[in-house]
Amino acid sequence: QKEVEQNSGPLSVPEGAIASLNCTYSDRGSQSFFWYRQYSGKSPELIMFIYSNGDKEDGRFTAQLNKASQYVSLLIRDSQPSDSATYLCAVIGGTSYDKVIFGPGTSLSVIP
Amino acid sequence: DGGITQSPKYLFRKEGQNVTLSCEQNLNHDAMYWYRQDPGQGLRLIYYSQIVNDFQKGDIAEGYSVSREKKESFPLTVTSAQKNPTAFYLCASGRPAGLNQPQHFGDGTRLSIL
Repeated sequence: QKEVEQNSGPLSVPEGAIASLNCTYSDRGSQSFFWYRQYSGKSPELIMFIYSNGDKEDGRFTAQLNKASQYVSLLIRDSQPSDSATYLCAVIGGTSYDKVIFGPGTSLSVIP
Repeated sequence: DGGITQSPKYLFRKEGQNVTLSCEQNLNHDAMYWYRQDPGQGLRLIYYSQIVNDFQKGDIAEGYSVSREKKESFPLTVTSAQKNPTAFYLCASGRPAGLNQPQHFGDGTRLSIL
């Protein structure tokens, strides 16, 4: 089992819809969770982080964490074509306490 | 402005040649990381360093070497032993991972074989 898993996609949503991106992790001791956005040919940029169970909202983005289920998600409301990118889930803590573990990423395409 | 600078943006390697990718940060971060990304793939960790004069191998260290003589700098050498070096190389820095802080990335270096 991979340490951090994501649906590879591509995930296609119409403009204005909610995009839901999911991530599961295997190390129950993981403590911190990050979402990065990577446009084609560019480097990843941090868009959200969450440490506690529940929801965290920042503009059109909401991160959701459920440590009991070892599940973290990213919701993008009112999706725009500019949201089309690959979204990387990243995890810190547990046995990999000294490095960040990245998932393989989910490709999102927002259709105008 | 504070940030992470990678150079060059594009690099070409000849057969049997070693090449060095530069990564400099002025964010006062203790930890620095090198990743490799192949087209359509995720990030793979090459080497990382939590403190000056110390570094650890990541998942794909073979054919690569690093040094960490200064806090601000973490150069990566792609040696001739790396037979398939063509990829997008990303440098990142952050607080030590034990502090649960995110990493931030440079703009990357694209390496190709001539």
